[in-house]
Parts: sequence; C-alpha cells; structure tokens
Amino acid sequence: RKEVEQDPGPFNVPEGATVAFNCTYSNSASQSFFWYRQDCRKEPKLLMSVYSSGNEDGRFTAQLNRASQYISLLIRDSKLSDSATYLCVVNPDNYGQNFVFGPGTRLSVLP
Amino acid sequence: GAGVSQSPRYKVAKRGQDVALRCDPISGHVSLFWYQQALGQGPEFLTYFQNEAQLDKSGLPSDRFFAERPEGSVSTLKIQRTQQEDSAVYLCASSKDSRVGGNQPQHFGDGTRLSIL
Repeated sequence: RKEVEQDPGPFNVPEGATVAFNCTYSNSASQSFFWYRQDCRKEPKLLMSVYSSGNEDGRFTAQLNRASQYISLLIRDSKLSDSATYLCVVNPDNYGQNFVFGPGTRLSVLP
Repeated sequence: GAGVSQSPRYKVAKRGQDVALRCDPISGHVSLFWYQQALGQGPEFLTYFQNEAQLDKSGLPSDRFFAERPEGSVSTLKIQRTQQEDSAVYLCASSKDSRVGGNQPQHFGDGTRLSIL
C-alpha cells in the first residue's frame, strides 16, 4: 500500500460546480498535511495547509480526520483557472522534512 | 528573484554522461530538498539539507546520485553515468527552517527536465 493515496481522476466538472478530493495516508504518526496545486509542466505550489480543526480559504475548504487517516479538499464555485493537478502532501513528522506526496488528482473545469 | 531558482530548465544528455543540476533556494531558507518527479506521478523525495549538512539522503536511488550544499545556500545534484530511467523532472524546494516545527511549507522551483537518450 502506498503511503499517500489519491483518486487520480480526471475529474471533469462544469464551471460553478462543487468538487471534492479525497486523500488517505498510511502513517498514523503523520503530523502535518498540505494541499499543493500543480499546473501542467509547472512546479507544485502551496494551496493550503490542513489543520486539525479544518480550515477554509475563500472557495477552498480542507478537512483532516486523523482517526480515519483521511484528508479532503472541497472546491466550491469552481473556475476554469482551477484546472490543475491537486497533490495531497503528508509530513511524517513535525519538522518539515521528507514530504510524502500523493500521485495527484487531475481536475478539469469545463466552460 | 524571490523564489527558488533552478538551472538548467531543460537538460538532454546521452546515456553514460554525467550531469549537474543547480538549485538556488529562497534567501534565508535554511532547509533545502531535492525531489524526482516522473510523468503522471507526485514528486518523490531524494535528499534534504539543513544549511550545509545533508541530514537525509535515503531517497537517492543509487550511488550514482550525489548532492551537495557546501556553503549552505546553493545546492547541486549530480548524476553520474546517467541511465534512461533517470529521465524525470528534478525539483528543488526550500523552507525557512524545518527544525522549528509546525506546518512549514516547502516552496518549489520550476524544476529541471532531464532527458537521457
């Protein structure tokens, strides 16, 4: 079993739709979590950190369920510019080393 | 510039040649990371530096891979006797100080796209 798993998609949704991505991780000792966004042939860029209490940034909401070792990302009112690959990232300890990336979920927002 | 800078952007080499990839982290960032990303996959960890000290090289796939950061700033990833399976995008990332703890995000460069013929 891979350390971090994601549904590869692609998710094809119309503009304005709400879409949710799921991510599971195997290391129960993992301490910090992130969502990164990667456009085609570009570098990964931090979208948001994921906190135990859940957090929201505009149209994006991230949730963490430690008991189920599960992270989610919800995008509301999706825009064409949201089309990208979304990478779930888990840090096994609390000291910023050795990020473990999921394979990514591709999202295409269609006009 | 303000971001992580990598060079070259693209590198084509013949099998068996040695290559060197450069990373210039964000100024003041103590921690530096190298990742390898194959097509359609997420980045995979190669090695990590705290200042000039290489604290983790567990992800380096073989002894043909070598990384250094002699002055605690710029880093070089060297691949000797390249093989076709080394073809990938090599990403460098930096963060303020991974020892501080908490959610320290990593900031990535554009990557070097390496193709071995």
